[in-house]
Order: sequence, then structure tokens, then C-alpha cells
Amino acid sequence: ETGVTQTPRHLVMGMTNKKSLKCEQHLGHNAMYWYKQSAKKPLELMFVYNFKEQTENNSVPSRFSPECPNSSHLFLHLHTLQPEDSALYLCASSQPGERELFFGEGSRLTVL
Amino acid sequence: GENVEQHPSTLSVQEGDSAVIKCTYSDSASNYFPWYKQELGKRPQLIIDIRSNVGEKKDQRIAVTLNKTAKHFSLHITETQPEDSAVYFCAAKVEYGGSQGNLIFGKGTKLSVKP
Repeated sequence: ETGVTQTPRHLVMGMTNKKSLKCEQHLGHNAMYWYKQSAKKPLELMFVYNFKEQTENNSVPSRFSPECPNSSHLFLHLHTLQPEDSALYLCASSQPGERELFFGEGSRLTVL
Repeated sequence: GENVEQHPSTLSVQEGDSAVIKCTYSDSASNYFPWYKQELGKRPQLIIDIRSNVGEKKDQRIAVTLNKTAKHFSLHITETQPEDSAVYFCAAKVEYGGSQGNLIFGKGTKLSVKP
């Protein structure tokens, strides 16, 4: 499969659960991103990885923990989330030095 | 840091009419301005972009204009069609040398085109 793939597409979890979101890209890109999309808010940049190294943490609470084991995979580990963390989490990739972001279709997270 | 404001938040037009979405940015160093389209339940996709060394760019029925002095840029869609219905996001970032800043997005505009 080509492009940026995110799993799961939908996730419901309790506040005490631990879960992970996965992102995989088959575009040969070396930069990967996590964005949070909430209703009536801008797309919020959470984390940026360039060549597997985290280069941006946009003041994200520690209950969100990213992991980038290689340039093709990106995870977002979730634990003790709050209901206000319910949102669509979008992964994106790009080639460093190029402008276009390629997004996945997102993981819709609901925290009960 | 950069702040991008986008208006309107919702826009409804009749098929065939034009639609205009406007954005303002705060960081005068920003020099790259893309527009992304997100159809319902789908991923955002780049539809057009403009750099600060030009004032206008067109691609078929869509065009983007940039006013650097006023720090605002706009998306224009002519002869709208139902398939133009989507959420449109503007964004801005600073590109410098061989490095690039991160994209800062507006809140989005939900465009509805009525047949």
C-alpha cells in the first residue's frame, strides 16, 4: 500500500487505559508529524521527527508519548488521557526540504 | 510565534458561484502559504500554494492571492461544483535557507456548494 496509513481508524478508551496509535508511510520520506484535529480549532502540531530524531515537541502533555523507530513508522503512545483529548489524530510525512505534507486519514480517538 | 486566522468558518454558495476564503498571518517572516482541502472523512490534501515572491497563482478554477504588506492571503474558487464541498485550511510557514519551519494552520472553513 502506498501513502500514509494510520491504525486504528477509530479508538475508544477509558481514562486509565494505555493504547497506541500507529502511522506508516511508504513514500520514502524522512520527516514525520503528529497533528491533533479538534472541532473548530486549527490543526495543532504535536510532534515532529526528522530522520528518526524528535525535532519538535509543541508543549504536548506527557500523557502523549511519541516513538519513531525508523523513518517509515511513527507511534503515539497514550496513557491516562482526559476526555478533552478526544479528537482526530493525523499523521503526516514529508521529505525534508520539500513543502508538501502528506497526511494519513487519521485515528478518531474518543476518551470516556 | 506564528498565528493564522481564517474566515469565514462556514461558507455556503450555490453551484456555479464563486467562493472566497481569507487568512491573515502574524509573522512577517512567513514566506510559504499552502491551502489544504479535507473532504468529509478523508485526509487533508494540498491543492495549491504560493510563495511570497509572487502575488497570485492560478490552477484551473482555483487561485490564491497574497498581500505581503497586509499579511493576508486568500483562496478563490470560481464556478463552484458540489465536489468542492469540503473543509479548507490555510497555513503559513517560514522557509529559510535549507531549513524549513513548521506549518501553522488556520481553523478551517467548511464550504458547502448547493446544487
